[in-house]
Amino acid sequence: GAGVSQSPRYKVTKRGQDVTLRCDPISSHATLYWYQQALGQGPEFLTYFNYEAQPDKSGLPSDRFSAERPEGSISTLTIQRTEQRDSAMYRCASSLAGQQETQYFGPGTRLLVL
Amino acid sequence: EDQVTQSPEALRLQEGESSSLNCSYTVSGLRGLFWYRQDPGKGPEFLFTLYSAGEEKEKERLKATLTKKESFLHITAPKPEDSATYLCAVQATAGGYNKLIFGAGTRLAVHP
Repeated sequence: GAGVSQSPRYKVTKRGQDVTLRCDPISSHATLYWYQQALGQGPEFLTYFNYEAQPDKSGLPSDRFSAERPEGSISTLTIQRTEQRDSAMYRCASSLAGQQETQYFGPGTRLLVL
Repeated sequence: EDQVTQSPEALRLQEGESSSLNCSYTVSGLRGLFWYRQDPGKGPEFLFTLYSAGEEKEKERLKATLTKKESFLHITAPKPEDSATYLCAVQATAGGYNKLIFGAGTRLAVHP
């Protein structure tokens, strides 16, 4: 595609519900990243994929967070049993393999947990 | 712990009034330092990469410089369209090749 797209753009959920966020990267990009961005802060790394492999999950806050990219293209981030502290902007980015400095970011999904 | 601190948090300039934004970092070893621009409601947009002390990069009214402990983003004769949040990020040798550590950003407002 022309750019990184994410859906939904906004998600409101009740505490305890599961949510799944979707990222569709630039089609030629092998590497995909997930970030969490709190209001007034910079993005905070969650995890990344090279194709379908997930070499680094160190930024995931807890085992309630998981991500997958089964076919090496579209990725999903799932948060189970959501808590109010999970409310944030979740951003996806992608890059060409080996060019991690030039990451193209999507518009983000704003998650609000009530 | 690897850390990035940006200052000031917010900066208001008159059009044409040059200034600098600061990014100081503490990392075990620096692979690279990156500057991004973020407009309201949008994702960050890549500006520059710097790899070694003494390196400089320029793009239009922006110039980024790097020392062993900090980076500066110099804005020369800014225009209102330069208003945005400027984010600094580092890639540490111990943190993994693909992990960027971002600062909180500097919110720049340029007024006519």
